[in-house]
This record gives sequence, C-alpha cells and structure tokens, in this order.
Amino acid sequence: DTEVTQTPKHLVMGMTNKKSLKCEQHMGHRAMYWYKQKAKKPPELMFVYSYEKLSINESVPSRFSPECPNSSLLNLHLHALQPEDSALYLCASSQVRTGNYEQYFGPGTRLTVT
Amino acid sequence: GQNIDQPTEMTATEGAIVQINCTYQTSGFNGLFWYQQHAGEAPTFLSYNVLDGLEEKGRFSSFLSRSKGYSYLLLKELQMKDSASYLCAVNYNQGGKLIFGQGTELSVKP
Repeated sequence: DTEVTQTPKHLVMGMTNKKSLKCEQHMGHRAMYWYKQKAKKPPELMFVYSYEKLSINESVPSRFSPECPNSSLLNLHLHALQPEDSALYLCASSQVRTGNYEQYFGPGTRLTVT
Repeated sequence: GQNIDQPTEMTATEGAIVQINCTYQTSGFNGLFWYQQHAGEAPTFLSYNVLDGLEEKGRFSSFLSRSKGYSYLLLKELQMKDSASYLCAVNYNQGGKLIFGQGTELSVKP
C-alpha cells in the first residue's frame, strides 16, 4: 500500500468556523508533512512531524494547529481562517533516514474560506 | 537563499524529447527530487539524485552535477499525458524539508 489518503476532498468554511483536515498512511512512514499549495505555485512546507513529534514549523500562523495522534495519522486543525488561506492542502509521508526522503503525497484537500 | 530555478513553461511535440533544467544553491545540498503534478492532482515522485550522473527510469531520466548545482529531467517519446507541471525539489539537510522550484509547465502538442 503506497497510498496517502486525505479527507475531506473539498471544504468550504467561514472565517469563524472550526474544522479539521485528516491524513492517513499505512506505509510505516515515521515522517509526515503538511504543505499548502496555491494555484500555479509549488507546494510550501508548513509542518513536519518525525516520530510523532513536531520537528519543523515554518512560522505558520497559530490559526493552523497540527496534531499527530499516532504514526499513521496526521491532522490539521483550522480556526478563524482568512480568505487568503484558501488553497490546496497536501499531506505527505516519508521514511526517516539519512539520504532519500522520497515523499509520497496525498490527493489534497481543496479549502475555500468565505 | 536557496533559490531553485527552472523555466516557467515549455512546449514540445508528441514523440519528441524535452529537457527541463533546474539550478540550485549547492551549500547544504543533500539530494534532488523531480516530481510530476497534473492540474488538480497531487505531486507524484519521478526521480531522485544524490550522486553525480544520470539515473534512467523508462522514458524519464534525471541528471545531476553537484559541483555545478545543476540537474535536468529528460523526457523521451513524449506523450500527450506528459503535459503537466514538473517540480524540482532539493533536500537541504534539514530533516526532510524539501525546497521546491516554481515548477515547469510542460505542454505536449500533437
């Protein structure tokens, strides 16, 4: 199984809502990532979890709150978002070892903030 | 900075060969990846280079010169389905943090 799954596929939320994005993988990967991607732009790293601990936070606003409840799951909790946060949110996973950090991406959640 | 540069757009003909170049800052380099991304879909892994030379995988090959901070992705026998964005990404020794280039939008014409 080389699949990373994400739910929901699409999400529309108001600026006062609270919602969560979910990501799951069963490849035994111990590194998981959240990226944000705007149209016609490359993915921008938001967070990295390594062995269920947050290892990188790319100065992301606190209205985005990541959580890694176990080695297979990764959540992104959203609260009080702004319209400019509308984007495709991609989850990825990889092995944790020196050298090849080939990342497998999920299909993404397309988020619209109204 | 860690600027990763690649052309914004390229056009090629079905059946032809196309080369997409990528240049990057060499300090801290720990590996280079090429991903393919179709519109509205997730990036999919194409190749990985950490040592100098050519890696071949079917119709796709990727080359790396670490001293020059240069890589290219070579696509042979182009097919219409190869129309996509091609992303060059570099691992800079930061625990899996990939820095992506802006992507090259490839259009394959009949």
